[in-house]
Amino acid sequence: DAGVIQSPRHEVTEMGQEVTLRCKPISGHDYLFWYRQTMMRGLELLIYFNNNVPIDDSGMPEDRFSAKMPNASFSTLKIQPSEPRDSAVYFCASSSHRGNQPQHFGDGTRLSIL
Amino acid sequence: SQQGEEDPQALSIQEGENATMNCSYKTSINNLQWYRQNSGRGLVHLILIRSNEREKHSGRLRVTLDTSKKSSSLLITASRAADTASYFCATDARGKGGSEKLVFGKGTKLTVNP
Repeated sequence: DAGVIQSPRHEVTEMGQEVTLRCKPISGHDYLFWYRQTMMRGLELLIYFNNNVPIDDSGMPEDRFSAKMPNASFSTLKIQPSEPRDSAVYFCASSSHRGNQPQHFGDGTRLSIL
Repeated sequence: SQQGEEDPQALSIQEGENATMNCSYKTSINNLQWYRQNSGRGLVHLILIRSNEREKHSGRLRVTLDTSKKSSSLLITASRAADTASYFCATDARGKGGSEKLVFGKGTKLTVNP
């Protein structure tokens, strides 16, 4: 079975550039989550969707971050403009249950902003 | 805001020994989950224990939950080098508009030496 697929796996870009991270959830899962992981702050929930609708975006750091889910099989997380403090590993996860049930994670995108 | 706190932050043991990791949390929960993260990979769900359960087993894993002390422990018996990973507890919490979500601790890094 295909798991959650994220692309790219690694991204290195310069400050000020636009960054777009992509996620394909497990087919049939109607919950999709975006997390950010850093040594200092651990794993933080940024935003999550249910049936393509954003439910909780209270973790999105600021207006530079935006997320979309145009259909059930695709989501993007965009950072524009990017800053060095955005460097982190970004994970996408999906679930077929409510937001507090087991989640399936992708292998993440390691983002470095120079 | 962080709900679960794992203890210890790092643990190093010999193959064949048991490993115990603890998680403390602050507010009442409906369930508590444990996840494993191998280096460079996403989190993998291990086990979920509900608030009305005291103990749960899955293979070499044993999880206990003490809601009066707001704590949980994960025991890995007869550890193997392949168990080397970071282990996270996650508790359910209420987000924006009462939505349900998971809040992760910062994890325990387990090293099993062959």
